[in-house]
Amino acid sequence: QQQVKQSPQSLIVQKGGISIINCAYENTAFDYFPWYQQFPGKGPALLIAIRPDVSEKKEGRFTISFNKSAKQFSLHIMDSQPGDSATYFCAAWSASKIIFGSGTRLSIRP
Amino acid sequence: DSGVTQTPKHLITATGQRVTLRCSPRSGDLSVYWYQQSLDQGLQFLIQYYNGEERAKGNILERFSAQQFPDLHSELNLSSLELGDSALYFCASSVVATDGELFFGEGSRLTVL
Repeated sequence: QQQVKQSPQSLIVQKGGISIINCAYENTAFDYFPWYQQFPGKGPALLIAIRPDVSEKKEGRFTISFNKSAKQFSLHIMDSQPGDSATYFCAAWSASKIIFGSGTRLSIRP
Repeated sequence: DSGVTQTPKHLITATGQRVTLRCSPRSGDLSVYWYQQSLDQGLQFLIQYYNGEERAKGNILERFSAQQFPDLHSELNLSSLELGDSALYFCASSVVATDGELFFGEGSRLTVL
């Protein structure tokens, strides 16, 4: 019940395309859903986050779509660029505990 | 720069040895988290401290221990090291203990030979 399932494990997208990463959860007590971006040799950094009272949040080329009834949320990267190549982690907070997904390695082909 | 400082950045040691990893959180952050990231693996939560007290425990081995000191820096102690302990160890900090942004350090890469 504490798991956050993330897919796909890896993703290759052409420059200018849309990258989509999906996450699903079971625990309805989760109430904050951040996405973290990690470049090689660096620590993860917060990219964008959403609370379950909204269905979508957009920041520049990055959008989170949230489906509370299906207990799913996804990250969409529009007009994907080579600089977006990184590992992306979804996460979910419940009380004082944050659970991370297993990560998606995204490669953007020039 | 996240403001979280981890030392050392790299550490090579032998099986059976003991090491200590250090973390200085962002100024003002009361909560410190430790994560282990093995090659091509996700972030495995080890332990969380809030203002000097243990707040939550994850999959931390009995050979590992941690503490948060009055000045809020934290140390992760790894003992009786095994080859499988080779990993990146991340420290993260946050202002509060509940939902919010975690700020990660750049990690300490431990290699056990």
